[in-house]
Amino acid sequence: DVKVTQSSRYLVKRTGEKVFLECVQDMDHENMFWYRQDPGLGLRLIYFSYDVKMKEKGDIPEGYSVSREKKERFSLILESASTNQTSMYLCASRGAITTYEQYFGPGTRLTVT
Amino acid sequence: AQSVAQPEDQVNVAEGNPLTVKCTYSVSGNPYLFWYVQYPNRGLQFLLKYITGDNLVKGSYGFEAEFNKSQTSFHLKKPSALVSDSALYFCAVRDHSGGYQKVTFGTGTKLQVIP
Repeated sequence: DVKVTQSSRYLVKRTGEKVFLECVQDMDHENMFWYRQDPGLGLRLIYFSYDVKMKEKGDIPEGYSVSREKKERFSLILESASTNQTSMYLCASRGAITTYEQYFGPGTRLTVT
Repeated sequence: AQSVAQPEDQVNVAEGNPLTVKCTYSVSGNPYLFWYVQYPNRGLQFLLKYITGDNLVKGSYGFEAEFNKSQTSFHLKKPSALVSDSALYFCAVRDHSGGYQKVTFGTGTKLQVIP
């Protein structure tokens, strides 16, 4: 079974802090994604990566950056956390094109105070 | 641009009754369509997908979905609902005519199965 893990289930940070969210997948997937989930808005794509050191902006990249130094690890960085970044953050991975579906981690609920 | 609509925020159904969760989509080319389920405080789990072929797709936990090209719909169905089916359901679409990897998700439908 594909396993996607996220470094924290719950995180509380202060406004202005730099925040790192880590995601690791164990299936050698090429593609990895970061979403945020908010009530009534569904999932919105922040960034994705289709290979090591490669990244593409999603729909809402402002205030975020990402890093993919190794194939199995995809990090989301909040450079200076703000209260409007309080949300559920979901990481996902997907294999080669014939796989199609994404596999999700359990999510990190981030609260910025 | 591609989009997905889930017109119902919540669907209530009695245990043992059939359930339907609605989804309509819009893409410029041919769609890849997906259903995912999210249980409380968990990530999303893949349920089923339509890529090509038979319009009726069967997935996990007894769920199925019917692809209707003329109505641009992909409704999720189950013949007999269980209380354990209560969860948040997301429909998603990807336009496979483009090279972009993006999948667009709907806003989700909360399914409540009443004992």
